[in-house]
Amino acid sequence: DQQVKQNSPSLSVQEGRISILNCDYTNSMFDYFLWYKKYPAEGPTFLISISSIKDKNEDGRFTVFLNKSAKHLSLHIVPSQPGDSAVYFCAASGVQGAQKLVFGQGTRLTINP
Amino acid sequence: DARVTQTPRDKVTEMGQEVTMRCQPILGHNTVFWYRQTMMQGLELLAYFRNRAPLDDSGMPKDRFSAEMPDATLATLKIQPSEPRDSAVYFCASGLVLNGGPLYNEQFFGPGTRLTVL
Repeated sequence: DQQVKQNSPSLSVQEGRISILNCDYTNSMFDYFLWYKKYPAEGPTFLISISSIKDKNEDGRFTVFLNKSAKHLSLHIVPSQPGDSAVYFCAASGVQGAQKLVFGQGTRLTINP
Repeated sequence: DARVTQTPRDKVTEMGQEVTMRCQPILGHNTVFWYRQTMMQGLELLAYFRNRAPLDDSGMPKDRFSAEMPDATLATLKIQPSEPRDSAVYFCASGLVLNGGPLYNEQFFGPGTRLTVL
């Protein structure tokens, strides 16, 4: 039972263009969503988050959009840079303050020069 | 530079052997998580601790896996006996949760232990 799904295992984008990574969830009790970035042989690192009371959160080149009615969130990276090549995990937290995260399977993003 | 450390980084063992993975959380963090990464499931939460007490281990196969925090600076994940299907990368993460603080706090991940069970 995959409550958080990232349906695209991989994505390839030209440097300078926009990268859009998608994530769907099934549990309406999720109220906090995060994106983590992972390089090979390293642990995931936190990138950006959004609370369910918002529909957009922006941090530099990274913007996360949340559509609660569709149970969908997306991460936009503009402009994409070669250093953005990594695996991106979407995660959701079920109950306020519970700290427990449910992760998706990850999407491997490759930025081509 | 505070980091979560994990040992060993790589472990190859034979089916039936006991495996112990260790994690040193960031000093001062009071919450520790164990995750397993597989191709099919992504990152799965196995167990987590707050102030050394287990809060949730529902993601862990109880018959062969055990997780403990002997002290605030050490968390262990043990598999006995190990099976080929346990082959994965195991991550430890730590965080700080304060009463009255933000509802959610960032988790800091270690580099992982790559386990191969033959």
